[in-house]
Amino acid sequence: AQSVSQHNHHVILSEAASLELGCNYSYGGTVNLFWYVQYPGQHLQLLLKYFSGDPLVKGIKGFEAEFIKSKFSFNLRKPSVQWSDTAEYFCAVTPFGGGADGLTFGKGTHLIIQP
Amino acid sequence: DAGVIQSPRHEVTEMGQEVTLRCKPISGHDYLFWYRQTMMRGLELLIYFNNNVPIDDSGMPEDRFSAKMPNASFSTLKIQPSEPRDSAVYFCASNGRGRGAEAFFGQGTRLTVV
Repeated sequence: AQSVSQHNHHVILSEAASLELGCNYSYGGTVNLFWYVQYPGQHLQLLLKYFSGDPLVKGIKGFEAEFIKSKFSFNLRKPSVQWSDTAEYFCAVTPFGGGADGLTFGKGTHLIIQP
Repeated sequence: DAGVIQSPRHEVTEMGQEVTLRCKPISGHDYLFWYRQTMMRGLELLIYFNNNVPIDDSGMPEDRFSAKMPNASFSTLKIQPSEPRDSAVYFCASNGRGRGAEAFFGQGTRLTVV
């Protein structure tokens, strides 16, 4: 079975700072990778996803993530964060083609952006 | 499409009572998942269905939990009897395999058992 590890449980940054949230997964085969965001009091929304091709994927709101297969990593980045980026961020993995086992989530990273 | 619809949004109940959470997946999606979110354990997959059939319920914490999917447009998660440690946010999600495994989540049900 697959598993996901997110390195930081809590991150506090000032506005305009650069962001990188770590994510590592373990699985023996090909995977689909996702980052979901959960704003306070809301449901999870897809931020970006990787299926195949270019390992650098761009998502909504200026976020991007890079899949490094040799490191089993899928780190999330944003060059300049905004106060509105305050949220919980979840990395997730599913076997390639998806569906069969559902998403396996990391524990999440609580990001707080200070004005 | 209105997305995944869950009801109720909030539920407060007394210990020992039966609780039923409801979910309507996105039309055409053939996978449905139930997740539980707590501060301590994060997001946990409880059970998932494919074409209305339960495939993996290994995440269901104990026999007090049960889930059904009588048809493609409706699923329930029942807790009987409920306990304070069941307090959490329960999310339902659905996806269609042909869409590359992107799961769409409902708004969640915040359950409080007192």
